[in-house]
Amino acid sequence: EPEVTQTPSHQVTQMGQEVILRCVPISNHLYFYWYRQILGQKVEFLVSFYNNEISEKSEIFDDQFSVERPDGSNFTLKIRSTKLEDSAMYFCASRLTSAFINEQFFGPGTRLTVL
Amino acid sequence: GIQVEQSPPDLILQEGANSTLRCNFSDSVNNLQWFHQNPWGQLINLFYIPSGTKQNGRLSATTVATERYSLLYISSSQTTDSGVYFCAVEAAGRRALTFGSGTRLQVQP
Repeated sequence: EPEVTQTPSHQVTQMGQEVILRCVPISNHLYFYWYRQILGQKVEFLVSFYNNEISEKSEIFDDQFSVERPDGSNFTLKIRSTKLEDSAMYFCASRLTSAFINEQFFGPGTRLTVL
Repeated sequence: GIQVEQSPPDLILQEGANSTLRCNFSDSVNNLQWFHQNPWGQLINLFYIPSGTKQNGRLSATTVATERYSLLYISSSQTTDSGVYFCAVEAAGRRALTFGSGTRLQVQP
């Protein structure tokens, strides 16, 4: 069964460093997402991406964040200068986009720890 | 934006017991999904259920969209059912999921 994959599973970085989180969405899906979950809290939407551009973003997704689809398979989230409060689990998701099927499929997540 | 409330926030069960988790939402939705977050933090898709009833083994879910709520039923609970259960909805006109705060379930042997 096709699935969303994410790398790395864990990332530890120093405050102020840049990190890139990688995702491979399901191959025929058209909408891509990043969500994050701070430890003990609920999952929050960051950004959606469709047709090679940002479709929607939340207040959390400020200038420190960017997304890119560098090739036909990968979808990346870059944090330019990490802060302690960026420590969280980051989930990638994708969906087919169909009039009849609207389910979002989530990857296993990348746990980011900023020291 | 849309509000999603889940109840109860915490639930402790003995193995073999049944339970009902509730999700209320404040506006019309295009999409509603239930997830189980396992101890490793992974979000496992349980149901895509914007309306109607679905069953998968010991789990079933019902969404009454007109009354803005969804229920997740767990029957004959097992210790492996422990974790956090999230309801997430997509408000009409949006393409992003808004998650509830979750129900933390602990099933004791």
